[in-house]
Amino acid sequence: LAKTTQPISMDSYEGQEVNITCSHNNIATNDYITWYQQFPSQGPRFIIQGYKTKVTNEVASLFIPADRKSSTLSLPRVSLSDTAVYYCLVGDLFSGGYNKLIFGAGTRLAVHP
Amino acid sequence: DVKVTQSSRYLVKRTGEKVFLECVQDMDHENMFWYRQDPGLGLRLIYFSYDVKMKEKGDIPEGYSVSREKKERFSLILESASTNQTSMYLCASSSQSPNEQFFGPGTRLTVL
Repeated sequence: LAKTTQPISMDSYEGQEVNITCSHNNIATNDYITWYQQFPSQGPRFIIQGYKTKVTNEVASLFIPADRKSSTLSLPRVSLSDTAVYYCLVGDLFSGGYNKLIFGAGTRLAVHP
Repeated sequence: DVKVTQSSRYLVKRTGEKVFLECVQDMDHENMFWYRQDPGLGLRLIYFSYDVKMKEKGDIPEGYSVSREKKERFSLILESASTNQTSMYLCASSSQSPNEQFFGPGTRLTVL
C-alpha cells in the first residue's frame, strides 16, 4: 500500500507561497495523487489532483516528479483563510483499489498576519 | 451545488447500544464511503460501496457494518458501540473521477 508521509505542521505569513510535500514511496502505477483541505468542524474539500508532472487550477499547483514518489502542493500568496489541515491522498478508484485509498495524517498550516 | 448530508452533527450513545449513522447524497454518485477521523491518524476508511447493495471493507471494518439499499443513501451501523469508537465519522461520495470525493460535515460520536 502507498503509505503517505507529510509534515505535521507548517507556519507561514500572509502573501507568501507555501509548499507542502507528501512522500509516497510505494505509489502504484495506477494511483492518482489528490489533495484535500479541511477546516475545523467541516469535511475535507477537494483541492487538486494529478498523475504526473504539473497540474494547476485556480487555487493551487501540484508538482509531481518523474518517479512519482513524492508530490508538492503549492499555494500561492496564502491568506489567513488558508489556515487549515491539508491531506494528501494516494490511490485509484478505477482499478478496484477502493480499499487502497490512503490518506496522510495531514499537515496543519497556520497562516499569520 | 453538490451536497452530502449526515443525519446528525453530534451524537452521544452508551456502550453496547446499536448506533445508526446515515448519509445522503444528491449527486447520483455511484461510490460512497465511510471514514473515521482521529487526531494524529488522519482519515481511515471503514467501508465503501460502489453500487446499491454492494459493499467492500476498508482499512478498519471491525465493529462496523454498512447498508446501501438506495443509491443516494449509505448507512453505517455500530452493532454494539464501544468507547474506542468515539470519533468523528465522515461520509463521502464520488462519481468516476478518480479520488475526487465530496464529503459531508461529519458526525461527532461519543460513546460513554
